Amino acid sequence: GAGVSQSPSNKVTEKGKDVELRCDPISGHTALYWYRQSLGQGLEFLIYFQGNSAPDKSGLPSDRFSAERTGGSVSTLTIQRTQQEDSAVYLCASRIGGANTEAFFGQGTRLTVV
Amino acid sequence: AQRVTQPEKLLSVFKGAPVELKCNYSYSGSPELFWYVQYSRQRLQLLLRHISRESIKGFTADLNKGETSFHLKKPFAQEEDSAMYYCALYFNKFYFGSGTKLNVKP
Repeated sequence: GAGVSQSPSNKVTEKGKDVELRCDPISGHTALYWYRQSLGQGLEFLIYFQGNSAPDKSGLPSDRFSAERTGGSVSTLTIQRTQQEDSAVYLCASRIGGANTEAFFGQGTRLTVV
Repeated sequence: AQRVTQPEKLLSVFKGAPVELKCNYSYSGSPELFWYVQYSRQRLQLLLRHISRESIKGFTADLNKGETSFHLKKPFAQEEDSAMYYCALYFNKFYFGSGTKLNVKP
């Protein structure tokens, strides 16, 4: 089947606008992760879901960031009142669960705030 | 706290030379460790995991619990190995190192 799908691939938005980033995980994967990759930086953890619950949202940078997951499947990451420092590639990954199982990554959404 | 350190931002070697990408981790239990690779304009993908003790594309990684290291090695680098490499530790979520860019010169 298909891998992890993210949309849009690219998003250019004006400072102050809200954006929604979507992630379609691999079917049957219970865990879903959001990371952020900035130029020259590593992967910064944002939030993860187990089913529809988010046991760890410690990486969300501010209250402008929120995420939800519905039906144990699709997840949406919302950034309100975007700022230039929000510009980055936002990566989604899903994992079936169980010891030593890998996470499968989407191609990312490149967000540019102008 | 869990932490993964990759001390080298950039590693340049000539084709055919051995390569070692360093990874050290902080974790008190039995770690689940992975190496991920990102080729130019491609998504991040798994290269190998420590539990499998496998060799993928000629790469191997040995877990050294005493030194808390999980270095990635290849005896003869190829130009197509040029990519960004990330070491990752899993404990409820994936902790990634900052990555090492490997550049294999012809």
